[in-house]
Amino acid sequence: EVQLVQSGAEVKKPGQSLKISCQASGYTFTNYWIGWVRQMPGKGLEWMGIIFPFDSETRYSPSFQGQVTISTDKSSKTAYMEWTSLKASDTAMYYCARQRGRWLVDTWGQGTLVTVSS
Amino acid sequence: DIQMTQSPSTLSASVGDRVTITCRASQSISSWLAWYQQSPGKAPKLLIYKASSLESGVPSRFSGSGSGTEFTLTISSLQPDDFATYYCQHYDGSSSFGQGTKLQIK
Repeated sequence: EVQLVQSGAEVKKPGQSLKISCQASGYTFTNYWIGWVRQMPGKGLEWMGIIFPFDSETRYSPSFQGQVTISTDKSSKTAYMEWTSLKASDTAMYYCARQRGRWLVDTWGQGTLVTVSS
Repeated sequence: DIQMTQSPSTLSASVGDRVTITCRASQSISSWLAWYQQSPGKAPKLLIYKASSLESGVPSRFSGSGSGTEFTLTISSLQPDDFATYYCQHYDGSSSFGQGTKLQIK
């Protein structure tokens, strides 16, 4: 069974750093793009960026370029998203998403809730 | 960037009803359109891809149609689990989601 299991909820203060994870199982990790999607409270879905684990090719949506860093570790079949300085506006649910081809999501992680508050 | 616009934003219906949600693209996306269902507190779930192809395991009461710039998702007979938010997504070179349609119980 294809699964993406994300790390647990986080509560952080503005200015702190954070790295959340998404561990894949049930398929060949390096063969599929993985993306990250933001969902702010009560709002819709927004692409943040995608990465191809085979060669680490990464693409960021313009709104998120320079704001986050997406990476993978092939040995542990894990994708990551990292912030160096969180803002209150980063409070959201973050989903990792396996893509069939590119951009079409056939498997979602369960989500990681990030709360940034002083 | 291609903009995706869904209508209506909210839809009230009853169990057993037939409902249709519309998604319009700001330019032609051929058939590169998917539909997702998101139940409260859950991750989205893929229902339809390539405008009209039903994802494996998805009930046949869900169907999609359209091409170019106008697309529809139809649920032929609403079941209790279908009350959720639905998103369209284009995936033609780049990708974006519609703003969502909340299907609520009348």
